[in-house]
Amino acid sequence: DADVTQTPRNRITKTGKRIMLECSQTKGHDRMYWYRQDPGLGLRLIYYSFDVKDINKGEISDGYSVSRQAQAKFSLSLESAIPNQTALYFCATSDRAGGSLNEQFFGPGTRLTVL
Amino acid sequence: SQQGEEDPQALSIQEGENATMNCSYKTSINNLQWYRQNSGRGLVHLILIRSNEREKHSGRLRVTLDTSKKSSSLLITASRAADTASYFCATDGGATNKLIFGTGTLLAVQP
Repeated sequence: DADVTQTPRNRITKTGKRIMLECSQTKGHDRMYWYRQDPGLGLRLIYYSFDVKDINKGEISDGYSVSRQAQAKFSLSLESAIPNQTALYFCATSDRAGGSLNEQFFGPGTRLTVL
Repeated sequence: SQQGEEDPQALSIQEGENATMNCSYKTSINNLQWYRQNSGRGLVHLILIRSNEREKHSGRLRVTLDTSKKSSSLLITASRAADTASYFCATDGGATNKLIFGTGTLLAVQP
């Protein structure tokens, strides 16, 4: 089984709908991240969490919210989806590092289309 | 703006040739990482080089880091068709809480 899983893998929705993307990990890592990827723009950080009680905004948090339900689960919500949120969304995890960032482990991605 | 910028944006080579990709960044770093992404899939970590290291090897991969020029290069030797993917550098910007990814180099290895 994959260490980092994302559901759904693909989703088509309409403008104004509420959408939740879910991420689960079995790696036992404390740190979890949500990114979006757009063609030509690389990955941009939306939110990150270092433990269940620690949630931080990333580069592009407007229009998104997150919930860290447990160490292993980190959900991303679009309260009212808009077309420019059409993108590929990735969840990632990493373990606690002593003074620097370790490698991140990525899920397979969720392709979201907002019509 | 992106911390890391890869160059070239796209690269096409023949199988067996070497591929070199470059990454430039703007601020001081603790480490720099390279990732690979096959089309539409999640990123996979390739190699991490710390700011006090100048060169690192992993199999057919060789990474160099020049902190005075704020640049890094990834060399893939004896490329294979299976190396076809996008390659991203990521830096920590001197912080300890998040990575900043570049825009990537799309490598196509022709069989």
